[in-house]
Amino acid sequence: KQEVTQIPAALSVPEGENLVLNCSFTDSAIYNLQWFRQDPGKGLTSLLLIQSSQREQTSGRLNASLDKSSGRSTLYIAASQPGDSATYLCASGGYGNKLVFGAGTILRVKS
Amino acid sequence: DAGITQSPRHKVTETGTPVTLRCHQTENHRYMYWYRQDPGHGLRLIHYSYGVKDTDKGEVSDGYSVSRSKTEDFLLTLESATSSQTSVYFCAISPGQSQETQYFGPGTRLLVL
Repeated sequence: KQEVTQIPAALSVPEGENLVLNCSFTDSAIYNLQWFRQDPGKGLTSLLLIQSSQREQTSGRLNASLDKSSGRSTLYIAASQPGDSATYLCASGGYGNKLVFGAGTILRVKS
Repeated sequence: DAGITQSPRHKVTETGTPVTLRCHQTENHRYMYWYRQDPGHGLRLIHYSYGVKDTDKGEVSDGYSVSRSKTEDFLLTLESATSSQTSVYFCAISPGQSQETQYFGPGTRLLVL
């Protein structure tokens, strides 16, 4: 059974800092690794999807990497802003794009 | 934004009553999913559908059933609601290929008293 773990559970940083969120998974037989953002009381918004054959994906100030052999993914956020404050969720994608989620990292960026 | 809606958005019910949540999409995506989100657990898959009348169980399917009679609608039924089913329920849709993400609805907050 796939298990996904995210570290840290919560993170508070001053505006402008670069930061890294970590995600690990136990079964490397994944189709993809996805990162989502969730604002309080809202649904999830897709940030980045890394296919199993890829090593990283970038979108603006976000960069996600994937190391299947070690069962790890990281989300790098450059020059953090208060608007980046949210919960960040990683999920491993299996057959039929079924997702197994981590519990999330709550990020607070202080102005 | 992906055309996906959930109804109702909030519901309070009593233990033992049946409850049906509706997910409606306008994207004609093949795959639809129901998740529940609880503190400390992230999201967990309840059931999913890979086509009309084609459904399968997810990780936490006990006490839930689903139906999909049309491409655009995916219904989740709590056959006899229990307090442990108090949660936020999210529907998601996807074309299904591994290179495609999932698009999530706004969620339904369910309180079972």
